[in-house]
Amino acid sequence: DQQVKQNSPSLSVQEGRISILNCDYTNSMFDYFLWYKKYPAEGPTFLISISSIKDKNEDGRFTVFLNKSAKHLSLHIVPSQPGDSAVYFCAASADNSGYALNFGKGTSLLVTP
Amino acid sequence: NAGVMQNPRHLVRRRGQEARLRCSPMKGHSHVYWYRQLPEEGLKFMVYLQKENIIDESGMPKERFSAEFPKEGPSILRIQQVVRGDSAAYFCASSPELAKVQFFGPGTRLTVL
Repeated sequence: DQQVKQNSPSLSVQEGRISILNCDYTNSMFDYFLWYKKYPAEGPTFLISISSIKDKNEDGRFTVFLNKSAKHLSLHIVPSQPGDSAVYFCAASADNSGYALNFGKGTSLLVTP
Repeated sequence: NAGVMQNPRHLVRRRGQEARLRCSPMKGHSHVYWYRQLPEEGLKFMVYLQKENIIDESGMPKERFSAEFPKEGPSILRIQQVVRGDSAAYFCASSPELAKVQFFGPGTRLTVL
């Protein structure tokens, strides 16, 4: 039962342009959402998060947007850099689940020079 | 401040043997989570522990798998009588009390021959 879905397995973007990674969820109890970045053979690295009481959170080049009615969130990276090439995971948690994270399958981002 | 430490980074076992995976959380973190990632999949929650207590083990298989987080020393994920299907990357994450962001270790890659 995949409660967090990332429907695009891969995305290719030119350096300097915007990268938009999408994520959908089905569980209306989720109230906290996170994005992690992962390089091969390494653990996920926390990027940015958003609480369900907000609809936008920004940190430098990274912005996360949350649309609760659509159960959809997106990560915007502007401008994209070659070092951003990695797999990006969307994750969600609910207060009643002890903060266990539910992960999507990931989107592999390639930023080309 | 050292991050989450996991060892070994790579572990090879033959079918029927035992696998022991260790995780030392970040300094000051009292919550530990274990996740498993199969090839081409997202991370799946297994178990959530605090010192000397298992809080949520709903994601852990009922047989052959166990976890502990003793008062002293690292958290241990133990897999008895391993089978080929146990081959995966196992990630440990930690968080401070009452925090929703989890910080991940580099993972242990288990290969069962």
